[in-house]
Amino acid sequence: DIQMTQSPSSLSASVGDRVTITCRASQGISNWLAWYQQKPEKAPKSLIYAASSLQSGVPSRFSGSGSGTDFTLTISSLQPEDFATYYCQQYNSYPLTFGQGTRLEIK
Amino acid sequence: QLQLQESGPGLVKPSETLSLTCTVSGGSISSGSFYWAWVRQPPGKGLEWIGTIYYSGSTYYNPSLKSRVSISVDTSMNQFSLKLNSVTAADTAIYYCARHSTSSLVSWLDPWGQGALVTVSS
Repeated sequence: DIQMTQSPSSLSASVGDRVTITCRASQGISNWLAWYQQKPEKAPKSLIYAASSLQSGVPSRFSGSGSGTDFTLTISSLQPEDFATYYCQQYNSYPLTFGQGTRLEIK
Repeated sequence: QLQLQESGPGLVKPSETLSLTCTVSGGSISSGSFYWAWVRQPPGKGLEWIGTIYYSGSTYYNPSLKSRVSISVDTSMNQFSLKLNSVTAADTAIYYCARHSTSSLVSWLDPWGQGALVTVSS
């Protein structure tokens, strides 16, 4: 199985901050990586696919980059509605695997 | 707009079988040649892919659960279902159904159902 490791596990930031979350795969996955946002009591919502493509309807302050084993999700200017938990997921091979999540909290 | 909705018992006894159904609305489960998935999330923890089914019935399971899981599809009802047998407290989780985003098995998951909490307890 491909292990996905996110860092940090939690992060405190303020509205307007630029935030970066990192995801590392245990082996190369090309650009077969997605990012999800999950708010409390809600299902995950797709933000980014193919490492850097923005899902329709997702604000442009979200961006993704990387390929191979190292990936990042960046939020350019945090908004109040962005405080949530973020997960990366590889779909290069089965079983599909997720990172452990990064909880983004208000400072 | 495609919508998915999980349904089934919220409480299952240890050693019994967990059964959930995902009803798809706003589109046909057999159109577009999509794949359909189950994912679970123990309370306060991360996401675990359980398995995926093609509209024609081909299945792909997580090896960690393969001996206990079965996923099936009923195109006439526009539903797909999950069965997990010999459950323990470790299977307590929110269970989500989702669609693979493209007609390829190599794709991310979107959209998702709202989730169904299943508690394993006597």
